[in-house]
Amino acid sequence: GAGVSQSPSNKVTEKGKDVELRCDPISGHTALYWYRQSLGQGLEFLIYFQGNSAPDKSGLPSDRFSAERTGGSVSTLTIQRTQQEDSAVYLCASSFTSGVGDTQYFGPGTRLTVL
Amino acid sequence: AQSVTQPDIHITVSEGASLELRCNYSYGATPYLFWYVQSPGQGLQLLLKYFSGDTLVQGIKGFEAEFKRSQSSFNLRKPSVHWSDAAEYFCAVGALTDSWGKFQFGAGTQVVVTP
Repeated sequence: GAGVSQSPSNKVTEKGKDVELRCDPISGHTALYWYRQSLGQGLEFLIYFQGNSAPDKSGLPSDRFSAERTGGSVSTLTIQRTQQEDSAVYLCASSFTSGVGDTQYFGPGTRLTVL
Repeated sequence: AQSVTQPDIHITVSEGASLELRCNYSYGATPYLFWYVQSPGQGLQLLLKYFSGDTLVQGIKGFEAEFKRSQSSFNLRKPSVHWSDAAEYFCAVGALTDSWGKFQFGAGTQVVVTP
């Protein structure tokens, strides 16, 4: 079956513009995660969705970042008024449940460059 | 505070030679430990994970890792490296009481394989 897909694969934008990044999780996976990977850094947790529960937004770095998940499937990460420090690879992952032991499957990422 | 350290940013190894990647963690609870690999342009792929039981864990692609509680380490090994093993490797740690989103990733070790 298909894996996690993300679009676009690359996004170049100007400082101050808004961007939307999309994630299509594996069908049937109830948990979805967004991470940010900056150059030379590990993965930084941003936000986590589990079923119909309220998302865990504790990793979002500022109020310019938001995410939603429609119909328990597709998710969109929105960054408003982008800054140069937002340049990074944004990774999405999904898992069957959020239980310990459930493997997270990662998408290929969206490389965001803010000029 | 929990933390994960991968002391080696970059490792160069000859094809056919053995490889060991270091991972040290600091965690208050019993840790759950993971190794992921990220090939160029690819998402992260789980190599192996440790939750409990036998401290020597076998993974995919011929990798293994050993959990050493006394040393707070979870080093990844492969007896004979193939050119296709050139990639970036990430160690991650979490705990049973944490949500998945709270897992901590190391900064990664870049592995270069020479002929």
